[in-house]
Amino acid sequence: QSALTQPASVSGSPGQSITISCTGTSSDVGGYNYVSWYQQHPGKAPKLMIYDVSQRPSGVSNRFSGSKSGNTASLTISGLQAEDEADYYCSSYTTSSTWVFGGGTKLTVL
Amino acid sequence: QVTLRESGPALVKPTQTLTLTCTFSGFSLSTSGMCVSWIRQPPGKALEWLALIDWNDVKYYSTSLKTRLTISKDTSKNQVVLTMTNMDPVDTATYYCVSGCVDAFDIWGHGTMVAVSS
Repeated sequence: QSALTQPASVSGSPGQSITISCTGTSSDVGGYNYVSWYQQHPGKAPKLMIYDVSQRPSGVSNRFSGSKSGNTASLTISGLQAEDEADYYCSSYTTSSTWVFGGGTKLTVL
Repeated sequence: QVTLRESGPALVKPTQTLTLTCTFSGFSLSTSGMCVSWIRQPPGKALEWLALIDWNDVKYYSTSLKTRLTISKDTSKNQVVLTMTNMDPVDTATYYCVSGCVDAFDIWGHGTMVAVSS
């Protein structure tokens, strides 16, 4: 199972919005609404930010939103804040009954 | 409150078998809909899902690693164990124990760093 494709890095200024893409295939992202997104600060464990493509767990800011079109899922962060600077990973369930992650995207808040 | 904690050796030699234990609280793996996964992350690299066990004792494995992995649970002890055979330096990583089933990995342990070196 190949990893999902994410941009290596994105950046934005405080207050702006950014979008991180996550491209897979019809065997994973395109085939199921089981796409999730994780935020990871340096030296910390990942934290679930979005599940089922667009659902936010309790306690996650509504500045984080998710969507999907075809084989590509997206994470949008609006009103960027310094604390959003982190690595972001997408994940999807697959037709092989396995799970696959993206390569990760480093978000820099300028 | 759900918590998970990984334990195991910090250093293993090449060709040895790694055994990691996840001790969790706040839920039971005999409850319908509950699952535990192992996920790893080599230094500076991306996350990689390894294995999942569900409440029915059904097990799922990474296609590329399934010949080397075994996941099991002890419901009475609230523990999940992962064994990985024939360890290699490329297996050096932080190994995470995580709760959650099909739709997401919702609660993560702090992770345990395992180095493979002679």
